[in-house]
Amino acid sequence: NAGVMQNPRHLVRRRGQEARLRCSPMKGHSHVYWYRQLPEEGLKFMVYLQKENIIDESGMPKERFSAEFPKEGPSILRIQQVVRGDSAAYFCASSRGDGPGNTIYFGEGSWLTVV
Amino acid sequence: GESVGLHLPTLSVQEGDNSIINCAYSNSASDYFIWYKQESGKGPQFIIDIRSNMDKRQGQRVTVLLNKTVKHLSLQIAATQPGDSAVYFCAEDHSGAGSYQLTFGKGTKLSVIP
Repeated sequence: NAGVMQNPRHLVRRRGQEARLRCSPMKGHSHVYWYRQLPEEGLKFMVYLQKENIIDESGMPKERFSAEFPKEGPSILRIQQVVRGDSAAYFCASSRGDGPGNTIYFGEGSWLTVV
Repeated sequence: GESVGLHLPTLSVQEGDNSIINCAYSNSASDYFIWYKQESGKGPQFIIDIRSNMDKRQGQRVTVLLNKTVKHLSLQIAATQPGDSAVYFCAEDHSGAGSYQLTFGKGTKLSVIP
């Protein structure tokens, strides 16, 4: 049973370009989460999605960032017009359900570098 | 509670000794806690969890202790091995039903001396 799959693992973008990060949840998981991690810091919650629905995006910047989890295919985190401050590791996670007891499993991350 | 810092707290332990990693959480409403291990360049790996109605939970070589009175969580690793070297994060959940947000602490770097 494959874990949470993220790609690309490393992405370099120039300021002003768009970054697209993809995430396929674990088999049987319908809940997807995106977190961001700056160097030497803990992960910060960004958004929680279920198929075709954004459940909670309270941690996501209002501008330039968007996320989707379509009926078919992976979840996508999209960052438009990237700036240097967007450089970070972006982790996707998935779970079978929500609430305590539904273990959340993380992928290996996508490292975005904005130059 | 959380604080943003440039340097992670570091714990150096001799191989074979026991390690204790501490975490203070901020929200008294948190009802679920998890410890994650993160190796360099990798994602967080689930180690053990505990609900707020428990004080202690044991896994393989690991024990988590929860003291709700002082909002303190600890992770004990028995017979620490070189493969245990990593950054350890505690995470708390206080979002309640309908959402699943984890609030992470800033982490502790464990270095195991062979």
